[in-house]
Amino acid sequence: GQNIDQPTEMTATEGAIVQINCTYQTSGFNGLFWYQQHAGEAPTFLSYNVLDGLEEKGRFSSFLSRSKGYSYLLLKELQMKDSASYLCAVTGANNLFFGTGTRLTVIP
Amino acid sequence: DVKVTQSSRYLVKRTGEKVFLECVQDMDHENMFWYRQDPGLGLRLIYFSYDVKMKEKGDIPEGYSVSREKKERFSLILESASTNQTSMYLCASSFWRTNTEAFFGQGTRLTVV
Repeated sequence: GQNIDQPTEMTATEGAIVQINCTYQTSGFNGLFWYQQHAGEAPTFLSYNVLDGLEEKGRFSSFLSRSKGYSYLLLKELQMKDSASYLCAVTGANNLFFGTGTRLTVIP
Repeated sequence: DVKVTQSSRYLVKRTGEKVFLECVQDMDHENMFWYRQDPGLGLRLIYFSYDVKMKEKGDIPEGYSVSREKKERFSLILESASTNQTSMYLCASSFWRTNTEAFFGQGTRLTVV
C-alpha cells in the first residue's frame, strides 16, 4: 500500500516563494512526480525526482529525500497564474499513485 | 503533439446502467491508467494496465472493471452504475519506464442519477 500526504491548502503572495511539502510511505518506490492542475483542466507534468537532491527548472524546483520519504516543490517569483492544485505522485512497478493535492492560491 | 482522448466530456447515466468510458492514446504508450477525482480525496487509482490484456487493481477497483484489447485503448466499465460513482474520471498513459511522465486526458464528468 501507499500513503501520500500533502497540505490541503496554501496561500501566498505574488512575487513570493512558496514550498509545498509531500511525505510518502510506499512499497516499491521508483520515483516521485509533481503535477500542476488548474481548475477544470487535466494535470500537467512539472518535475520528476528519482535521486536525492534538488532538480531546478526555471521558477520551479523539486527536492527528494528517499531515506526520509520526503519531497517538496518550490515555486519562486509567484505569479497569479500559479494559482492551481499541485499534486505529488509516487511511482513503482508501473503504477502511479497520487496524493490528495495542495490547492495554492496566489494573492496580489 | 501527444494526445490522450476520452470519449465523452460529460455523461449522465441512470442507476443500474452499464457504463463504458473509453480512452485512446496515440503515443504508443505501454502503461494506461484510470483515476477518479473527488473533492478532498484527490486522484485515486482505479485500475492500470502495463500491456495489452494485462490489468492491475489500484486503490479502489470495487464496482469497476477494465478492458485493454488494443495497446492504444483502455476502457473503464461500470457494471451497474451507482450514485456514489458520480465523479470526474481521468485517463492517463505513459511509457513502460517509470521515469517518464504520464499524460492525461481531459476527463469525463459522470453523473449517475
